[in-house]
Amino acid sequence: NAGVMQNPRHLVRRRGQEARLRCSPMKGHSHVYWYRQLPEEGLKFMVYLQKENIIDESGMPKERFSAEFPKEGPSILRIQQVVRGDSAAYFCASSPPVGLANTEAFFGQGTRLTVV
Amino acid sequence: AQSVTQLDSHVSVSEGTPVLLRCNYSSSYSPSLFWYVQHPNKGLQLLLKYTSAATLVKGINGFEAEFKKSETSFHLTKPSAHMSDAAEYFCVVSYNFNKFYFGSGTKLNVKP
Repeated sequence: NAGVMQNPRHLVRRRGQEARLRCSPMKGHSHVYWYRQLPEEGLKFMVYLQKENIIDESGMPKERFSAEFPKEGPSILRIQQVVRGDSAAYFCASSPPVGLANTEAFFGQGTRLTVV
Repeated sequence: AQSVTQLDSHVSVSEGTPVLLRCNYSSSYSPSLFWYVQHPNKGLQLLLKYTSAATLVKGINGFEAEFKKSETSFHLTKPSAHMSDAAEYFCVVSYNFNKFYFGSGTKLNVKP
């Protein structure tokens, strides 16, 4: 059972371009979370998704950021018109369906976005 | 409202001495609590978790944490630090596994 897979591991974009970050959850996991870690800071919650639904996007910036978790395929975090301040490590985590006891969030290795 | 506070942003210990990383949470409900470790340029690894079973939780690499409801604390300890323990540690609280709230992190430095 492969872990949470994020790609790419490193992404360089010029200001104004779009960045697409992908996350494939662990097999059997229907919940996906995205977190952002700015340099020298802790992880900040961005969005929580279940298949085809956004459950909580209270941590998402109001503009340029969007996330989806389609019925088929990975979850995508999309950043339009990137700016230097978007440079960060973006972590994806997945967990089994709610109700299963004694579970935790399993994290991917992260995607490090650099905006130049 | 739920939140988690890590009281120290940096902790420095000598190799072979005890480690204490502090964490306090606020939650209206019975929480699940976790400690994750992040080594430089790596992902996050679960150290241990508390989910309403025994209040003293043992994790990997000799770490343990004690859930104290009266103090709303979940401090991470290790009797003897090793150089390989140098990393950043995150305390995490969750209710009903719907969302995981991270503390700001504590960077542990281990001196030879």
